[in-house]
Amino acid sequence: DQQVKQNSPSLSVQEGRISILNCDYTNSMFDYFLWYKKYPAEGPTFLISISSIKDKNEDGRFTVFLNKSAKHLSLHIVPSQPGDSAVYFCAASTRLKTSYDKVIFGPGTSLSVIP
Amino acid sequence: DGGITQSPKYLFRKEGQNVTLSCEQNLNHDAMYWYRQDPGQGLRLIYYSQIVNDFQKGDIAEGYSVSREKKESFPLTVTSAQKNPTAFYLCASRIRSTGMVGYTFGSGTRLTVV
Repeated sequence: DQQVKQNSPSLSVQEGRISILNCDYTNSMFDYFLWYKKYPAEGPTFLISISSIKDKNEDGRFTVFLNKSAKHLSLHIVPSQPGDSAVYFCAASTRLKTSYDKVIFGPGTSLSVIP
Repeated sequence: DGGITQSPKYLFRKEGQNVTLSCEQNLNHDAMYWYRQDPGQGLRLIYYSQIVNDFQKGDIAEGYSVSREKKESFPLTVTSAQKNPTAFYLCASRIRSTGMVGYTFGSGTRLTVV
């Protein structure tokens, strides 16, 4: 039973346009969400995160939106660049202060930005 | 330059053999993790360790073993009991403190059973 879902395995976008990657979660205890970017044969690298007390977090070309009532978050990349072509993992966590806070990853969405 | 080093990058194993994947970090991170990535699936947690000489099973620990004798090192052994070991294995670490959730990942080891 996947607690973090990314229903689009792949996405193609023209260079310069907006890329929107979606993520849904089922566990209402999640209170921290992260996006990781992964190139082939490399480990994921942290991209951007958002706490459940916010509905938007922006970092340069990357913006993450959180809709808690819908248990949905999205990553917007504007403008998209060819170097953004990678697999993007959505991840969710509960920030338990006294013990291991488990991070659950979605299956990933492969983004291709076409020049 | 701090980071996580996984070796080897590619590993081939014959059926019935045990193999050990190395993970070393010089970030002074307390917690270390092993994940497995299969096509179309997210990263699934195999084992994790929050402190030296302690480790816990993750979601898919069967057929794997680990040790944590030093803070810097968290090797993973894929035993012959693991029925489908061909996968991409990722090691990660993080500081175990309040508010620090994100992981730092290594570059991965691709294991293929031949």
